[in-house]
Amino acid sequence: GAVVSQHPSRVICKSGTSVKIECRSLDFQATTMFWYRQFPKKSLMLMATSNEGSKATYEQGVEKDKFLINHASLTLSTLTVTSAHPEDSSFYICSAEGQDQETQYFGPGTRLLVL
Amino acid sequence: GDSVTQMEGPVTLSEEAFLTINCTYTATGYPSLFWYVQYPGEGLQLLLKATKADDKGSNKGFEATYRKETTSFHLEKGSVQVSDSAVYFCAAGGYNKLIFGAGTRLAVHP
Repeated sequence: GAVVSQHPSRVICKSGTSVKIECRSLDFQATTMFWYRQFPKKSLMLMATSNEGSKATYEQGVEKDKFLINHASLTLSTLTVTSAHPEDSSFYICSAEGQDQETQYFGPGTRLLVL
Repeated sequence: GDSVTQMEGPVTLSEEAFLTINCTYTATGYPSLFWYVQYPGEGLQLLLKATKADDKGSNKGFEATYRKETTSFHLEKGSVQVSDSAVYFCAAGGYNKLIFGAGTRLAVHP
């Protein structure tokens, strides 16, 4: 149980285009999902907390107009990187909060490369 | 603010060696504590967790005990395998928030 999927697993795009990443909880409902960014050989940096049916809460320094988050259902959250630039290239990982409201279950990650 | 400190890696061990990865935390109140493992190119997998003082989390031969007096949650395994090679993250948290340590890379050689 507690499986989280992400799609796509890898994406290459041109600078200036937008990319959408989906995060799904497959066998449970998640009121809260999280989006992280991970740089090579570094820890996870929380970007935003996504609550179903309401606006996401962004961490300090994360541009909400650049990283659009939508959490339209209890099993799906999406992150759209708008007007992507090479510095947005990274590994993006989502997680979904379990019923205990503490444990987070992570997706396999999406590697984004912006050329 | 809240923080989690892990021992720096990489940790290099021979197969069947004993493993300890230290983790300490600072937090207001009593957070739940977690160990996650990340294999190359993948997301994080929950390895084990403990929700209150003196609780011991265990999974796949790994153990960690929630020590309130030393604010620690050290990860241990009695006999590591090559397949345990990965990055291990300690995390502390509660409602709607997890604070991660920097991660410790473990390399196990045959």
